[in-house]
Amino acid sequence: DQQVKQNSPSLSVQEGRISILNCDYTNSMFDYFLWYKKYPAEGPTFLISISSIKDKNEDGRFTVFLNKSAKHLSLHIVPSQPGDSAVYFCAASDWVETSGSRLTFGEGTQLTVNP
Amino acid sequence: GAGVSQSPSNKVTEKGKDVELRCDPISGHTALYWYRQRLGQGLEFLIYFQGNSAPDKSGLPSDRFSAERTGESVSTLTIQRTQQEDSAVYLCASSAGPSGMDTEAFFGQGTRLTVV
Repeated sequence: DQQVKQNSPSLSVQEGRISILNCDYTNSMFDYFLWYKKYPAEGPTFLISISSIKDKNEDGRFTVFLNKSAKHLSLHIVPSQPGDSAVYFCAASDWVETSGSRLTFGEGTQLTVNP
Repeated sequence: GAGVSQSPSNKVTEKGKDVELRCDPISGHTALYWYRQRLGQGLEFLIYFQGNSAPDKSGLPSDRFSAERTGESVSTLTIQRTQQEDSAVYLCASSAGPSGMDTEAFFGQGTRLTVV
């Protein structure tokens, strides 16, 4: 049961344009969402997050949008740079009385920004 | 160090042998996760620790896999009688707490396991 889904395995954009990475989830109990970036041979690194009480969070070139009714979030990168080329993972967390919180990751989207 | 440390960084083992992978989380982080990433695939959840207890072991793929955590610090993931399908990068992550901003998890560099 894949609770967090990234339906696009890859995305290619031109430098300077906008990159939009999408993520859908099924568990309505998720209350915090995160995006991670992963370069080859490195562990994922945290990029940006959003609480379920918000619908937008912006940090420099990165903006995350959350649409709770659609159970959908997206990451916008504007303008895209070649150094942004990496695998982007969407993650969500919920807190369960018996087991605490747990991060659930999507499958990842490989972003390639062409010069 | 300041980050999550995993050892070894690379491990090549023969099919049928046991392996132990180690994770040193960020000091003070109560939550610890193990994930693995097979070639060309996403992050696969294995097990989650809150303190020294593992409330969620649902991701362990078989009874050949086990993990423990001691002193709310170091964790060891053990794979017995390794199989070729166990080949993957095993990632450990830790986070400060159970909710909100504390959920942000910091990852180690991973252990690349190759079973030949």
